[in-house]
Amino acid sequence: DIVMTQTPLSSPVTLGQPASISCRSSQSLVHSDGNTYLSWLQQRPGQPPRLLIYKISNRFSGVPDRFSGGGAGTDFTLKISRVEAEDVGVYYCMQATQFPRTFGQGTKVEIK
Amino acid sequence: EVQLVESGGGLVQPGGSLRLSCAASGFTFSSYVMHWVRQAPGKGLEYVSAITSNGGSTYYANSVKGRFIISRDNSKNTLYLQMGSLRPEDMAVYYCARLTGDLDYWGQGTLVTVSS
Repeated sequence: DIVMTQTPLSSPVTLGQPASISCRSSQSLVHSDGNTYLSWLQQRPGQPPRLLIYKISNRFSGVPDRFSGGGAGTDFTLKISRVEAEDVGVYYCMQATQFPRTFGQGTKVEIK
Repeated sequence: EVQLVESGGGLVQPGGSLRLSCAASGFTFSSYVMHWVRQAPGKGLEYVSAITSNGGSTYYANSVKGRFIISRDNSKNTLYLQMGSLRPEDMAVYYCARLTGDLDYWGQGTLVTVSS
């Protein structure tokens, strides 16, 4: 199975300041079809996970443009340009290049 | 609008059984691989099981292999998870999800509590 490793596991951020989360996979996430199926999920307190970013850098419908994703191969990053109160929660990276799907440990974003 | 609605969770004693259902709508259910993911209280996401679009192939995490059975009824747009020999460590919110790696959707989840 592909192991997904996120850093940091906790990220206290001041409102209006940027935040960045890294995700590393144990092997390349480039699929045989040429796509890289790396997604970012947001889970607000008491809510189910929801898709934020898919295929490294594509924002899902309704996701604010302060969220951006980047990276390639085995190293990926989620950035929040200016953290707002509604961004508090846990963020997960997920790979869908291979079965089984695997997730990072989660990064808790909280306000300082 | 894509919707995934889980049901069937509840309190069950260790060693007991439970069947979860996930009603899908807003997309062509029979065209997609479907998944179950769980989340124990205060923990991260754990991948549980998957089934191909026609039900011909299944996958199980080692932690549930031999105890859980995933199935689907494409005529009813419904995904199932039959859980048996339940253990306290199976206690979690169980999510039904469409995880293509492209446009993914998650249900609201159903809570399974395993306790005597």
